[in-house]
Amino acid sequence: DGGITQSPKYLFRKEGQNVTLSCEQNLNHDAMYWYRQDPGQGLRLIYYSQIVNDFQKGDIAEGYSVSREKKESFPLTVTSAQKNPTAFYLCASSPPDPGSGQPQHFGDGTRLSIL
Amino acid sequence: SQQGEEDPQALSIQEGENATMNCSYKTSINNLQWYRQNSGRGLVHLILIRSNEREKHSGRLRVTLDTSKKSSSLLITASRAADTASYFCGAAGNKLTFGGGTRVLVKP
Repeated sequence: DGGITQSPKYLFRKEGQNVTLSCEQNLNHDAMYWYRQDPGQGLRLIYYSQIVNDFQKGDIAEGYSVSREKKESFPLTVTSAQKNPTAFYLCASSPPDPGSGQPQHFGDGTRLSIL
Repeated sequence: SQQGEEDPQALSIQEGENATMNCSYKTSINNLQWYRQNSGRGLVHLILIRSNEREKHSGRLRVTLDTSKKSSSLLITASRAADTASYFCGAAGNKLTFGGGTRVLVKP
């Protein structure tokens, strides 16, 4: 079945540590996105990528980094510069979206906590 | 503040009743999308209404869009316990922007 796989489901970060969240899709989508969701809140866009080897900052990119070396994969690194990383992280993908607003398909998220 | 804002923040109804939630947005959009999120899961796309449409139906879902008021509503008819979830609107301008969501509890 086609879909988006995020791993791990739960992740714990120590002070000063970088951690990487995995996102893989087999939907053959060009565009991929990372969102952060805080308890009882909506989604805020961290980074997005419309095509391989290209990505853009979203609304809250500080303290995060991404890469897009393969169409299927869009990993997110939460760096030690992100002082409040505890949140639920959601990855999504969609067909090419040059401002046309394609519906997005979401993974089941990674919950990140600080030790 | 975010592009899409939902109202009410929470809603509690009995099974079989209708649930209505509203979304307001600030700038021009290409379309307005509604999503559902079950606890601890990702969002699932429910329905999309384009900026030149006023009403759209899909099963027990009815969505309206008023671009003059920059608002949309989602109606779930004959609700079921399985409809218990958070519902988010996404305003699709140059990017998709989500509001804070409406938490719906359907009591059996």
